Amino acid sequence: RKEVEQDPGPFNVPEGATVAFNCTYSNSASQSFFWYRQDCRKEPKLLMSVYSSGNEDGRFTAQLNRASQYISLLIRDSKLSDSATYLCVVNGKDTGRRALTFGSGTRLQVQP
Amino acid sequence: EPEVTQTPSHQVTQMGQEVILRCVPISNHLYFYWYRQILGQKVEFLVSFYNNEISEKSEIFDDQFSVERPDGSNFTLKIRSTKLEDSAMYFCAMTLAGRTGELFFGEGSRLTVL
Repeated sequence: RKEVEQDPGPFNVPEGATVAFNCTYSNSASQSFFWYRQDCRKEPKLLMSVYSSGNEDGRFTAQLNRASQYISLLIRDSKLSDSATYLCVVNGKDTGRRALTFGSGTRLQVQP
Repeated sequence: EPEVTQTPSHQVTQMGQEVILRCVPISNHLYFYWYRQILGQKVEFLVSFYNNEISEKSEIFDDQFSVERPDGSNFTLKIRSTKLEDSAMYFCAMTLAGRTGELFFGEGSRLTVL
């Protein structure tokens, strides 16, 4: 089983749509969870951390389900500028490991 | 937003040659990382560096790779004898103490091995 697994997409949605991505992780000892965004041929950038209680940042909502070991990202009112690859990221194999493990990403294409 | 500067932006080299990639750290950032991304694939961890020594490394980071901060400023990744499969984008990243998930990435150095 991959450490971090994501549906590669692409998700093609019209502007204004709501879209959700899921991600599963294999290590139940993982403590930290994040969503990063990567534009084509650019570096990843932190979008938001994911907290146990769920958290929201504007149009973006992240949730964590530890029992099922999955993380979700919801984007409301999609904009053209949201088109990118969304990377699910967890801390590594061993508790306390600083290095992060990246999923392969889910590509989103928002269309006019 | 903090900036991490990497050089070169693109390097083409022959197989077997040595390559050095450089990264200029942000002040107050203590943890340094190298990640790589082969075209079309996921971002993979190579090595982390703290207090002038390697703190973690992955299976990818074999004897061909080394890292250092030779002058206390630039953070470098050296590949001693490049192979075709080393062709990738290499990202330097940094974090503040206590905020290990908030990686600030450089724009990357694209390495092409012929």
